[in-house]
Amino acid sequence: EVQLAESGGGLVKPGGSLRLSCAASGFPFTYVWMNWVRQAPGKGLEWLGRIRSKTDGGTTDYAAAVEGRFTISRDDSKNTLYLQMNSLKIEDTAVYYCSSLNQFNAFNRWGQGTMVTVSS
Amino acid sequence: QTVVTQEPSFSVSPGGTVTLTCGLNSDSVSTNYYPSWYQQTPGQAPRTLIYTTDTRSSGVPDRFSGSILGNKAALTITGAQADDESDYYCLLYMGNGIYVFGPGTKVTVL
Repeated sequence: EVQLAESGGGLVKPGGSLRLSCAASGFPFTYVWMNWVRQAPGKGLEWLGRIRSKTDGGTTDYAAAVEGRFTISRDDSKNTLYLQMNSLKIEDTAVYYCSSLNQFNAFNRWGQGTMVTVSS
Repeated sequence: QTVVTQEPSFSVSPGGTVTLTCGLNSDSVSTNYYPSWYQQTPGQAPRTLIYTTDTRSSGVPDRFSGSILGNKAALTITGAQADDESDYYCLLYMGNGIYVFGPGTKVTVL
C-alpha cells in the first residue's frame, strides 16, 4: 500500500526551529520527486518547495515565502523526506503535508499532514 | 506577482453540473502550465482529481472532467452528488521549479 506519513509537528516558539519528517512506503521513493505543502487554519493550500530525486540531481526549489528559512532534504536509505524550518514565525502555523510529484507535474500522493503551531 | 484565480464559491443542485475555473492575472492558462485539480474535505488531506489538464487520477469518477475553456483551466462536475461538497484547488506549474495553488473554490451541493 502506498503511504506517506508525516511526523515531527508540535508547538514551537517564534524564532525557533523544527524538523518535519515524511516516511514513504509502497512506491520507489528513490526515484520520485517530492514536495512540501502547507495549509494555515481556515486557509488554502500553499506549495513550499520540492526536491528532485538523487538521480535527477537532488536539487531543490522553494517558494519565495520560505526560501532561506526552510530546507528540504531526503534520505533515500530511510525512504524519508525532511523539512527543516528555521526562524519560525506565527504565520508558519499550519498543517504541513508531504506529497509526491509525478512526471506530469501533478502531486499524486499525499500524507495526512502534521500540525505545526508557532506561538509564544 | 503571479496570482492564480478561482471562484470563491459555487452552489449546485444534486444531479446538476458545475464548472470551476482557474485563471492567471498575467497570462492565459494553457496546457503548458500543467493544470491539475485537487479535492479537499475539512480535516482531510487533498485528493488528486485531474492532472495535465484533463487526465483523471486513478479511481476518480468520470463525472469529474478537466479542460481548457477560453483562457482558463476548468473542472466540470457533471451529475453532482452530495459527497462532492468540498473545496477544490487548482495548481499551476509556473516553470523554473515553481508551483502555485489557486485560492480554492468551495462547492456546496444543495
